[in-house]
Amino acid sequence: VQLAESGGNLVQPGGSLRLSCVASGFTFSNFAMTWVRQAPGKGLEWVSSISGASGTIYYADSVKGRFTISRDNSKNTLYLQMNSLRAGDTALYYCAKSAGFRITGTTSDYWGQGTLVTVSS
Amino acid sequence: VLTQSPGTLSLSPGERATLSCRASQTVSGNYLAWFQQKPGQAPRLLIYDASSRATGIPDRFSGSGSGTDFTLTINRLEPADFAVYYCQQYGRSPWTFGQGTKVEIK
Repeated sequence: VQLAESGGNLVQPGGSLRLSCVASGFTFSNFAMTWVRQAPGKGLEWVSSISGASGTIYYADSVKGRFTISRDNSKNTLYLQMNSLRAGDTALYYCAKSAGFRITGTTSDYWGQGTLVTVSS
Repeated sequence: VLTQSPGTLSLSPGERATLSCRASQTVSGNYLAWFQQKPGQAPRLLIYDASSRATGIPDRFSGSGSGTDFTLTINRLEPADFAVYYCQQYGRSPWTFGQGTKVEIK
């Protein structure tokens, strides 16, 4: 299993960014996927999860209405569209594979190395 | 909310570490996981469903508990075990993580 995030960058407050996560080594469409972030020197914060067929999606309250998770199973790729970015969104964003197709009741068994998003003027 | 204690645990190699994770409400299905994170690395899954070891995790690591009180026990600490440990509930959205317990070398 390999997960490779990309798309992190320095962006101004109010700006947008799209993160990508290319997966390999497993049947991507069979597993839910998740984004988790970690602000510098802080703990882990769950951001969003999407089921294998995109039928179920959840967001943390802190990003609801601003971030959109999606996936393209034909490209084995997970996305996170981030709009109206704030300084508080500054973090290392991890892509993680769930242990099952659905979201509830399955945790993340493999993680990428993360991509850094910095929101600053 | 998941509350981990203690915040920092100072132990010597060979000792046993006992980490606590307390939930403010019952964790649905006992869907509670433990992760290990070392500096500059991604988290690694150790325990899922409160007490099941993830693939490749040595039996020195064990999880227990149910409802609102959960424990991660690490027997015979090895140098590679000194890290930050997080608990996580995934029984209902929003998933939540504890704030972490740092296990440091005494």
